[in-house]
Amino acid sequence: EIVLTQSPATLSLSPGEGATLSCRASQSVNKYLAWYQQKPGQAPRLLIYDASHRAAGIPARFSGSGSGTDFTLTISSLEPEDFAVYYCQQRLNWPLTFGGGTKVEIK
Amino acid sequence: QVQLVESGGGVVQPGRSLRPSCVASGFTFTTYALHWVRQAPGKGLEWVAVISHDGSDKHYADSVRGRFTISRDNSMNTMYLQMNSLRAEDTAVYYCAISIAPTGDAFDIWGQGTMVTVSS
Repeated sequence: EIVLTQSPATLSLSPGEGATLSCRASQSVNKYLAWYQQKPGQAPRLLIYDASHRAAGIPARFSGSGSGTDFTLTISSLEPEDFAVYYCQQRLNWPLTFGGGTKVEIK
Repeated sequence: QVQLVESGGGVVQPGRSLRPSCVASGFTFTTYALHWVRQAPGKGLEWVAVISHDGSDKHYADSVRGRFTISRDNSMNTMYLQMNSLRAEDTAVYYCAISIAPTGDAFDIWGQGTMVTVSS
């Protein structure tokens, strides 16, 4: 099983600041990594697939990069609605696996 | 519009069974693989199982293999998760999820979830 490790666990930032979230895989997942946003009481929302492709309707302030074992989700300038938990997920192998999440909270 | 609606959750005693379902609408059901993903209270996401578009191929998380069975009825646009020998650690919100857009197994459509509580 591929283990995904997200860091940091919590990121305390102010609106307007940039955010950089990391996801590291225990073995190469090539480009097959996705990022999700989840708010309390809601289902996750797909942001990025295949490391760098924005899903439909996702604002340009969200971008993804990386390949192999190291990936980054960047939010260029935080909007109030961006404070949430973010998860990465690999789709290279069964079982699919998720990272433990990074909470982006208001400082 | 594309929609997934789960139902069939509830409170069940350890060792007992439950069968939540997921009804789909707004797309050609027989074209897509379907997944279950769960989330324990206050915890992260855990992928549970997948079934191929025609039901011929299935995969499971190690934590549920041998206890859970995923199935689908393409005539009813419905997917099921037969959960046997339930344990306290199976307590979670169970989501069904699919990839409609060409995103591979990255899920762009999710249901609202159904809560399963395993407790005596």
